[in-house]
Amino acid sequence: DAKTTQPPSMDCAEGRAANLPCNHSTISGNEYVYWYRQIHSQGPQYIIHGLKNNETNEMASLIITEDRKSSTLILPHATLRDTAVYYCIVRNGSGNTGKLIFGQGTTLQVKP
Amino acid sequence: DAGITQSPRHKVTETGTPVTLRCHQTENHRYMYWYRQDPGHGLRLIHYSYGVKDTDKGEVSDGYSVSRSKTEDFLLTLESATSSQTSVYFCAISYTGSYEQYFGPGTRLTVT
Repeated sequence: DAKTTQPPSMDCAEGRAANLPCNHSTISGNEYVYWYRQIHSQGPQYIIHGLKNNETNEMASLIITEDRKSSTLILPHATLRDTAVYYCIVRNGSGNTGKLIFGQGTTLQVKP
Repeated sequence: DAGITQSPRHKVTETGTPVTLRCHQTENHRYMYWYRQDPGHGLRLIHYSYGVKDTDKGEVSDGYSVSRSKTEDFLLTLESATSSQTSVYFCAISYTGSYEQYFGPGTRLTVT
């Protein structure tokens, strides 16, 4: 699975959009980009995933560049409850094991 | 939220004693995983299961064994607990190996 690089921390004002970047320059054609987050002391929570098209669900939007070497997770109207560590993970979409490899993630602090 | 429970939620035990952690799901998902989370290391996969009686090792499996005798339960056993196994343990489930994973609330284990 490709390696990902994320900034260690970011701040965002409450009510504003939070844009979390992720670099995955070695991603291969059959690898998906997944995003999870972990709120303090809780288990990780799945947010969204995509292959090459932009994706949106009730939690967030995922923008993947055309060359697929980077992506951005967008929380459109961040709230204090979105304060968490956000993990960008690249994994083989046809992987038969489902193993996730977590990096250090980005700690997002949403401020009032 | 996915129907995943972990028991116990907290446990303190002494070095050398056996410990079993239980993960129970009500989703009938095929895949189940055990992770540990430590400061500075993030989440690391210990073992996973892709069906009843079908298990395999993750990246940090030494000192741990698992069993899955029925779809809904995945047990993690520390045969002889050591202080290095003090950690927070998370269970996760997935419909298939290529689907997103849903995590349980975690078990905080302290080995004294």
